[in-house]
Amino acid sequence: QKEVEQNSGPLSVPEGAIASLNCTYSDRGSQSFFWYRQYSGKSPELIMFIYSNGDKEDGRFTAQLNKASQYVSLLIRDSQPSDSATYLCAVNPGRNNNDMRFGAGTRLTVKP
Amino acid sequence: KAGVTQTPRYLIKTRGQQVTLSCSPISGHRSVSWYQQTPGQGLQFLFEYFSETQRNKGNFPGRFSGRQFSNSRSEMNVSTLELGDSALYLCASSREGGQFFGPGTRLTVL
Repeated sequence: QKEVEQNSGPLSVPEGAIASLNCTYSDRGSQSFFWYRQYSGKSPELIMFIYSNGDKEDGRFTAQLNKASQYVSLLIRDSQPSDSATYLCAVNPGRNNNDMRFGAGTRLTVKP
Repeated sequence: KAGVTQTPRYLIKTRGQQVTLSCSPISGHRSVSWYQQTPGQGLQFLFEYFSETQRNKGNFPGRFSGRQFSNSRSEMNVSTLELGDSALYLCASSREGGQFFGPGTRLTVL
């Protein structure tokens, strides 16, 4: 079992729709969770982080964490073609431990 | 604040050679992590340095090594290059709330 699992996609949504990206992790003791966006040919860009169970909203993005289910998700509301990218879920085993474990990423395409 | 910088951006080497990559973290960030990214394996953690000490290490052979200087700049070295070492090498500097990546060094081994 991989430490961090994501559906590779591609996930395709129409412009204006909600895109839902999911991630599960195996280390139950994991403390912090991150979502990165990576455009083709570019490096990953941090878009959200979440530490506590529940929802965290930032603009059009909402991260959801359920530690009991070992599940993290990212919702993108009012999806735009510029959101088309690969989204990487990352899990940090401890608050001060930067040994991040990344999922393989989900490729999202937003169609105009 | 300036972001993470990496040099060089592109490198072409041949098998058996060695290579050194450099990373300058965001000012004030003391932790620097290195990753290898390939289409087949995704992002894989190499090692992390904090205050000039290797704090964590991923599952890579000893040909991959690194160091960190007192100004937090870090270098990564790969010796005896193999074709499979062709990848994007990413450096990230950290503070609470996530890691911030540099643009990467694209290494091609021929």
